[in-house]
Amino acid sequence: AQSVAQPEDQVNVAEGNPLTVKCTYSVSGNPYLFWYVQYPNRGLQFLLKYITGDNLVKGSYGFEAEFNKSQTSFHLKKPSALVSDSALYFCAVREGGGSQGNLIFGKGTKLSVKP
Amino acid sequence: DAGITQSPRHKVTETGTPVTLRCHQTENHRYMYWYRQDPGHGLRLIHYSYGVKDTDKGEVSDGYSVSRSKTEDFLLTLESATSSQTSVYFCAISAGTETDTQYFGPGTRLTVL
Repeated sequence: AQSVAQPEDQVNVAEGNPLTVKCTYSVSGNPYLFWYVQYPNRGLQFLLKYITGDNLVKGSYGFEAEFNKSQTSFHLKKPSALVSDSALYFCAVREGGGSQGNLIFGKGTKLSVKP
Repeated sequence: DAGITQSPRHKVTETGTPVTLRCHQTENHRYMYWYRQDPGHGLRLIHYSYGVKDTDKGEVSDGYSVSRSKTEDFLLTLESATSSQTSVYFCAISAGTETDTQYFGPGTRLTVL
């Protein structure tokens, strides 16, 4: 069965510092991995996804994520955090291989960036 | 929000009453989904649709039904609302291939008293 874990409920970062939001996954086949961000009282916004190819994926708002197959991880990163990055971040996984499986979401990580 | 609207945006109702939430898309996407979001649980899939009149259950479908009579509309019905169904409900759409991104609507906050 597919699963995804976000081990940190909250991440605190000072503005200007690099940030990392962690995600690990479990699937039987090839993983398709997604990151979403949710601002207060809003829906989820798509940030980036990994399907195949280069392990470093670049997305919206300066975010990037690194796919690591051996560690089954897909951590979200940004070189320099902004206060406006404060939000709830969700990692999601779908198993590839033509199964049309549904997205499985992690429980979310709250990112707080302080000035 | 990628051409997706949800109505109503907020609703307060009483236990035992029926409730219908509507999702409308202008993208002509084949797949539509209903999720609920609860603290500590992330998003959990309730039902989804892969075409007009084609629907299937998700992880937490008990107490919910859906209908899709047109490509653009996907309705979620709580036949007899319970307090455990107090949640924020999100609709999502995707073109349907396994690599496609799901795009989310703005959500409906439902409170069942």
